[in-house]
Amino acid sequence: NAGVTQTPKFRVLKTGQSMTLLCAQDMNHEYMYWYRQDPGMGLRLIHYSVGEGTTAKGEVPDGYNVSRLKKQNFLLGLESAAPSQTSVYFCASSYGGGKYFGPGTRLTVL
Amino acid sequence: SQQGEEDPQALSIQEGENATMNCSYKTSINNLQWYRQNSGRGLVHLILIRSNEREKHSGRLRVTLDTSKKSSSLLITASRAADTASYFCATDDGAGTYKYIFGTGTRLKVLA
Repeated sequence: NAGVTQTPKFRVLKTGQSMTLLCAQDMNHEYMYWYRQDPGMGLRLIHYSVGEGTTAKGEVPDGYNVSRLKKQNFLLGLESAAPSQTSVYFCASSYGGGKYFGPGTRLTVL
Repeated sequence: SQQGEEDPQALSIQEGENATMNCSYKTSINNLQWYRQNSGRGLVHLILIRSNEREKHSGRLRVTLDTSKKSSSLLITASRAADTASYFCATDDGAGTYKYIFGTGTRLKVLA
């Protein structure tokens, strides 16, 4: 099993550009999450999903959209990137207990 | 605002010593989880303790939970250089939403 995978691993955007981060899990988990991690801030929850076709807002949802069309995939979209969205993004999945994290996507917005 | 806050923010110890880090939270919870993050990597789940449990062990890890004080501690015994990492606690909101919130972490450095 690959566990949780994220693509891409690195990306540099210009202000105003858009992009989609893809998270995939092969553990048949119902719950999936997107977090961002910034120095000194720990991890902050952006959006999460408790099942296929459902999404919900976390702590810092503004500027992001998500979709969970398939159970194994959770997409995070930035419609118009801003420098404040420079961060490391982590996807996670769980069955309701401990979470399995992906390796992260390092995003820089210039 | 953060649900969980770890203390201390940074800890440096010698190999073989024990390391203790604490987590405080604000609202009622169903469970509390501890994670480890090595530099540049994703988080790895270490242990989950439910609100009706007071202590849990896993190998060299011991976790305690005091719901009256809204706090938890993670003890790593006989630390090794490989334990060098950041450690985070995560709590749910007690309402069964699976909306887990992480603290800011404790950076542990174990010197060989």
